[in-house]
Amino acid sequence: ETGVTQSPTHLIKTRGQQVTLRCSSQSGHNTVSWYQQALGQGPQFIFQYYREEENGRGNFPPRFSGLQFPNYSSELNVNALELDDSALYLCASTTGLGREPTDTQYFGPGTRLTVL
Amino acid sequence: GESVGLHLPTLSVQEGDNSIINCAYSNSASDYFIWYKQESGKGPQFIIDIRSNMDKRQGQRVTVLLNKTVKHLSLQIAATQPGDSAVYFCAVMMNTGFQKLVFGTGTRLLVSP
Repeated sequence: ETGVTQSPTHLIKTRGQQVTLRCSSQSGHNTVSWYQQALGQGPQFIFQYYREEENGRGNFPPRFSGLQFPNYSSELNVNALELDDSALYLCASTTGLGREPTDTQYFGPGTRLTVL
Repeated sequence: GESVGLHLPTLSVQEGDNSIINCAYSNSASDYFIWYKQESGKGPQFIIDIRSNMDKRQGQRVTVLLNKTVKHLSLQIAATQPGDSAVYFCAVMMNTGFQKLVFGTGTRLLVSP
């Protein structure tokens, strides 16, 4: 296993609500990235955090935000949920500095979010 | 930017056969490529990677081939087993100063006994 855990496993919310998803990385994994995977698609990059600061972002609106904590845990927050936010949300961590392309990313099992 | 595409959404093989999954990418400046395996209910699992200064890299029962001229990447699995059944993604690491993986849409590998 990758040593990356996510909670909860599944979540159901209604449109307009807010949600917080959690990720716990291995000790020493200073970089965490979040991805959104719609059904039948490949994961799409949301953003990346390195040592508690966002250092890169994909094409996602500001209602997607994150936090990273010193204990190698992190959160993805989504406000004003829309139906299209229904997806598998993955976090991935690495021991690298977050700037080297060869730092292998280890993925967690994901949180399945359903928005009704 | 970068876009990544896979040639076949589904590949069906017999147990023991060799499998080949193909992938194309668009940005000739991309320099790091990774194959991931995703089983049902799990996150993507790293299989093998290759830098652009290499044409071929081998792992245990897997080989990745990179053709930079035509911007094509392939994953070969030798002696495919039922446990290899999964969705396979190729991903390209964008050299943007931070790690951004761009994934293809995936190929579902079905292995029948």
